[in-house]
Amino acid sequence: GAGVSQSPRYKVAKRGQDVALRCDPISGHVSLFWYQQALGQGPEFLTYFQNEAQLDKSGLPSDRFFAERPEGSVSTLKIQRTQQEDSAVYLCASSLVRGSTYEQYFGPGTRLTVT
Amino acid sequence: GIQVEQSPPDLILQEGANSTLRCNFSDSVNNLQWFHQNPWGQLINLFYIPSGTKQNGRLSATTVATERYSLLYISSSQTTDSGVYFCAVPYSGGGADGLTFGKGTHLIIQP
Repeated sequence: GAGVSQSPRYKVAKRGQDVALRCDPISGHVSLFWYQQALGQGPEFLTYFQNEAQLDKSGLPSDRFFAERPEGSVSTLKIQRTQQEDSAVYLCASSLVRGSTYEQYFGPGTRLTVT
Repeated sequence: GIQVEQSPPDLILQEGANSTLRCNFSDSVNNLQWFHQNPWGQLINLFYIPSGTKQNGRLSATTVATERYSLLYISSSQTTDSGVYFCAVPYSGGGADGLTFGKGTHLIIQP
């Protein structure tokens, strides 16, 4: 079946603009995760949903970052009043959560450049 | 949260060589994943290996959970193996958490 998809793949925003990044998880996957990957670094956890419930948002770097998954499927990560330090690749992952298996599968990412 | 360290940070090999990448983690975990990030940035799942040994073609992985490390073996390297290899574990050790990644091993395979 199809993997995790993300859109847009590339986004250029002027400092101060709001952006919205979309993630379509693998069909039937219960859990959805957002990560931020700076250049030359490993991904860093931002937030996690189980179905529509946001269970952990401890990694969101500021209150300008907001995520939602209203129907337990597609998720949107919104960044308000973008700053240059928000420039990064934003990765989405989903997980089936079957039994004791929690393998995460990643989308191709959205590369955000704030100018 | 759990800390993850990977070594070596960089590795340059000739095509056909074998390599071993190491991942150490600071506390007990009940899952561990190895990924290959290709030059286009896609994270490709290699292994989901909380313990034991698994093999997939030229790649194999071993996790010794009691000693808090995992090893990824690549045999008969090909240029397409180039990229960054990440190890990741749940940040609190539990299964359903977000993952904490190491800094990765940047592997270059020269023809």
